[in-house]
Amino acid sequence: AQSVTQLGSHVSVSEGALVLLRCNYSSSVPPYLFWYVQYPNQGLQLLLKYTTGATLVKGINGFEAEFKKSETSFHLTKPSAHMSDAAEYFCAVTDNSGGSNYKLTFGKGTLLTVNP
Amino acid sequence: DVKVTQSSRYLVKRTGEKVFLECVQDMDHENMFWYRQDPGLGLRLIYFSYDVKMKEKGDIPEGYSVSREKKERFSLILESASTNQTSMYLCASRSTGTVNEKLFFGSGTQLSVL
Repeated sequence: AQSVTQLGSHVSVSEGALVLLRCNYSSSVPPYLFWYVQYPNQGLQLLLKYTTGATLVKGINGFEAEFKKSETSFHLTKPSAHMSDAAEYFCAVTDNSGGSNYKLTFGKGTLLTVNP
Repeated sequence: DVKVTQSSRYLVKRTGEKVFLECVQDMDHENMFWYRQDPGLGLRLIYFSYDVKMKEKGDIPEGYSVSREKKERFSLILESASTNQTSMYLCASRSTGTVNEKLFFGSGTQLSVL
């Protein structure tokens, strides 16, 4: 079984400050990890993903995440927050046990607020 | 551009009614999903279809059923709506192939059961 824990349901930062959203996973096999973002009144969109290879993954809008197997973590960061980053962020995991028909398990989400 | 369309943005129904939520994708995707999203609970998978007429229960299927008669359309059915099914419902689709294939989401249907 796989699961995701997002630490902090709400994170507030000032514009220009570092953004750090935490995600820890549990998986019995090597995981594939994703971050999705949901802007107000919209569906989710993929920010970035880790499947294999380089553990530091770069995504859209200046976000990146690092897969750390020893810490079972996949934290999302951005060096300098922008007002437009205000949204809800979801970490998700799959162990690919379903082959090409894999299912994602999502975390509970972290709401990011950016203050001027 | 890729599109997943959910038929209603807001829906209000009464307890005991049969409710249909429709989702259509125009990308010829094999996989389609229904999630419900609740504050503090994130997204929880209700049902999943990996091809036409094929379905699999997700984590919270109780009180729901689904139909996939055509590849592009995946319907979620609440047989007898209850107030605890008031929620945001999100449909998603994905091409099969590799784990690199991302999910495409619709904008959601906010269902209120009174």
